[in-house]
Amino acid sequence: NAGVTQTPKFRVLKTGQSMTLLCAQDMNHEYMYWYRQDPGMGLRLIHYSVGEGTTAKGEVPDGYNVSRLKKQNFLLGLESAAPSQTSVYFCASSLGSAKNIQYFGAGTRLSVL
Amino acid sequence: GESVGLHLPTLSVQEGDNSIINCAYSNSASDYFIWYKQESGKGPQFIIDIRSNMDKRQGQRVTVLLNKTVKHLSLQIAATQPGDSAVYFCAENIDTGGFKTIFGAGTRLFVKA
Repeated sequence: NAGVTQTPKFRVLKTGQSMTLLCAQDMNHEYMYWYRQDPGMGLRLIHYSVGEGTTAKGEVPDGYNVSRLKKQNFLLGLESAAPSQTSVYFCASSLGSAKNIQYFGAGTRLSVL
Repeated sequence: GESVGLHLPTLSVQEGDNSIINCAYSNSASDYFIWYKQESGKGPQFIIDIRSNMDKRQGQRVTVLLNKTVKHLSLQIAATQPGDSAVYFCAENIDTGGFKTIFGAGTRLFVKA
């Protein structure tokens, strides 16, 4: 049981490049989330999904897109990376009946130069 | 990651003492309040939660207190151990008009052996 797995762990991009962050969970959770973590600001919700084929905006969705084609996977895309998107990105998942208990991946550290 | 939390409030306690970590929240509509622990290089890990209609909840070595009058939340850790050294985040869940989890900036707990 791997829990929540994020790939890649590290990535460096140039401004304007695109990339996709992958998140996979093997706990059959309905809800999945993408957060970014910046120094002194805690975690901020980017997008979330309440089930396969559905996504919704969180607190800071601009510049990001997501897709949930399969229940176990939640993808976060950056179409045109900007230096302001330099951050640590965390994926999480939870049961729909227990949204308080979110299980987090180990994070992806992204630098945009 | 290493760069997260450089400017966080820090609480330093002696091993075996009790720790109290405080958090102020702003949203009266929050349904649940949650505490997460984040060790260096890892994602946050759920510790304990409390529903908004409760004042106190106890877990194993941890107690969460909620004071809605002054919008204050605290996490008490009994007999603090070196393994408790981490950054602790409070979070609020709001599940009306769209789901939101709002994280605080975090407090770094340092346990002296």
